[in-house]
Amino acid sequence: ELKVEQNPLFLSMQEGKNYTIYCNYSTTSDRLYWYRQDPGKSLESLFVLLSNGAVKQEGRLMASLDTKARLSTLHITAAVHDLSATYFCAVDSRGDYKLSFGAGTTVTVRA
Amino acid sequence: KAGVTQTPRYLIKTRGQQVTLSCSPISGHRSVSWYQQTPGQGLQFLFEYFSETQRNKGNFPGRFSGRQFSNSRSEMNVSTLELGDSALYLCASSLYPLGEGRKSPLHFGNGTRLTVT
Repeated sequence: ELKVEQNPLFLSMQEGKNYTIYCNYSTTSDRLYWYRQDPGKSLESLFVLLSNGAVKQEGRLMASLDTKARLSTLHITAAVHDLSATYFCAVDSRGDYKLSFGAGTTVTVRA
Repeated sequence: KAGVTQTPRYLIKTRGQQVTLSCSPISGHRSVSWYQQTPGQGLQFLFEYFSETQRNKGNFPGRFSGRQFSNSRSEMNVSTLELGDSALYLCASSLYPLGEGRKSPLHFGNGTRLTVT
């Protein structure tokens, strides 16, 4: 069964500094997703990563995928308060026909 | 383009009752998947429907069921509600089904928050 592990689970960021969230998964992945969830809200799609070496960037967020290492990273550059949220990675594996989520990383950005 | 619509937004039910939740996907999307989110278990896959067929089901008891209609709208039903069924239930729609390796984001609805008392 596909396992998805995120770390850290909690991340206190200082404004202006850079941080990375890691997402490891246990089997071959076809698609890896990153989502953001604000308290009481639904999931907002950030990135879909499909192939090895894929890198996507949007504003202060950059996601990458290494399928050989079964690792994806979400890099946050120069954190700002608006980035406070919970971030989830999720993996969709060929033949598994389901989406498996990591436990989420709760990010708090302080001044 | 309208997003994924889930109704109702909030529900309060009593133990032993049953409940039906509805999900209308983005127009043209034929895959609808359902998820349960709780503080203790996180986000867990319930099931996915594509072209009216259930393709997979997560580790949930038979009290959890669903269906998809010819217009791709989907419903999930929970019978004999238990306190532990209190959760946020999310549905997501996608152009392509899960597990087929094609790049297509899943779009999530706002969820239905179910409280069982």
